[in-house]
This record gives sequence, structure tokens and C-alpha cells, in this order.
Amino acid sequence: EFVLTQSPGTLSLSPGERATLSCRASQSVSSNYLAWYQQKPGQAPRVLIYGASSRVTGIPDRFSGSGSGTDFTLTISRLDPEDFAVYYCQQYGSSPWTFGQGTKVEIK
Amino acid sequence: EVQLVESGGGLVQPGGSLRLSCAASGFTFSNFYMSWVRQAPGNGPEWVANINQDGSGKYYVDSVKGRFTISRDNAKNSLYLQMNSLKVEDTAVYYCARWGWGWDYWGQGILVTVSS
Repeated sequence: EFVLTQSPGTLSLSPGERATLSCRASQSVSSNYLAWYQQKPGQAPRVLIYGASSRVTGIPDRFSGSGSGTDFTLTISRLDPEDFAVYYCQQYGSSPWTFGQGTKVEIK
Repeated sequence: EVQLVESGGGLVQPGGSLRLSCAASGFTFSNFYMSWVRQAPGNGPEWVANINQDGSGKYYVDSVKGRFTISRDNAKNSLYLQMNSLKVEDTAVYYCARWGWGWDYWGQGILVTVSS
């Protein structure tokens, strides 16, 4: 099965700092069909990035995605207080569609 | 405004059945691929099932194949998940989600608890 491994598990940062989240796939993600989601407690996930690097309409430009093949990165250029949440990567290039286990971005 | 509203969750014993419904509004339902995604307490999300626009293509995660059935009624703007032979490990919040550029709209989620 297609496995996505996210690192680190927890990222402790201060508002205004840069966050770099990693997602590594056990095999190449077909057509770079990889998305990133943000989830806050008690809420459904919200899509931020699709196709590895395309930002969804309405998502602030401090969020950016990069990578290809098996290595992908979500970067938050300057953390806003509302950005502290759990982030998941998800591949939709191969069935079953799978999520990573998540990276929690917490306030330091 | 796009809205997805799930219903039909609750407490059921192992081996029992439940049917989830999702009422969609604010967009042309028949134009979109739809999904069920679940999230067990304290865990990350897990994709459960997809259905294509006209209902002719249905796809499932292995753990629910043969037990769950996804369906849709485009005339009623509704998505369904029939869950049979439920197991304790099916306990989760179940979300109805629209597949656009990623899962771009989600319902509020409905809790399914499988316990004796």
C-alpha cells in the first residue's frame, strides 16, 4: 500500500517564523497528485494545495507547496496565529487514496 | 453557498447496519465526484469510498469492501453510504466531501459509534 510519512511529528514555532513540513511517499506519486490539508480541533480538514504546488483559491499566499516524485514540502512563510493546526498530506494518484499521519504545528 | 449536511449516524452494535446520507446544496451536484472520508478519534483522516458523477464508478478502501456501499441520487442532490457488518474499528466521524481541486468542501461530520 502507498504510504505517506510526514515529518516532523510536531513543530514548535513562534508567530512570524517560517514552517517547513515534509511528506515522503513510499513510491512515486503519479502525476504529482498530492494535496495538503489543514485541520483545526473540531473542524473538517481544509484543502490548501493540490497538484503538489497549486494553491486553492482563497488560501493566503504565505502557504506554498513544492516537490515531485516521492518528496514534497509545505512551507508557511510567516506563521500567523490562525495557522497553528495539524497538517496532512494526501495522495490521489493511486488507489487507495491515502493520507500521511500529520504534522502538528504548535505555538512555542 | 456550498453546503454538505450529513445525517444518519449514531450508536450501533457490532454486526449491525447504518445508512448515512449527505444532502448537498449550492452547486451542481451531478457535476462532481463525491467521497466519504472518516476520522477515528485521535487519528488522521482515512478515505473510505468514492463515486463518480453518474454513479457508474465506485471505489472503496480495502477495509470496507463488501461491507459498505456508496451511492448517489442526482435528482435529490444526495449521497449515501450503506454500512453493513459494522465493526468496532469502524467507529469514527464520517464526512461527506466534494472532490474538486482536492476535497474542497466537507460536511460537518457525523459520528458513528460501533459498540456493544
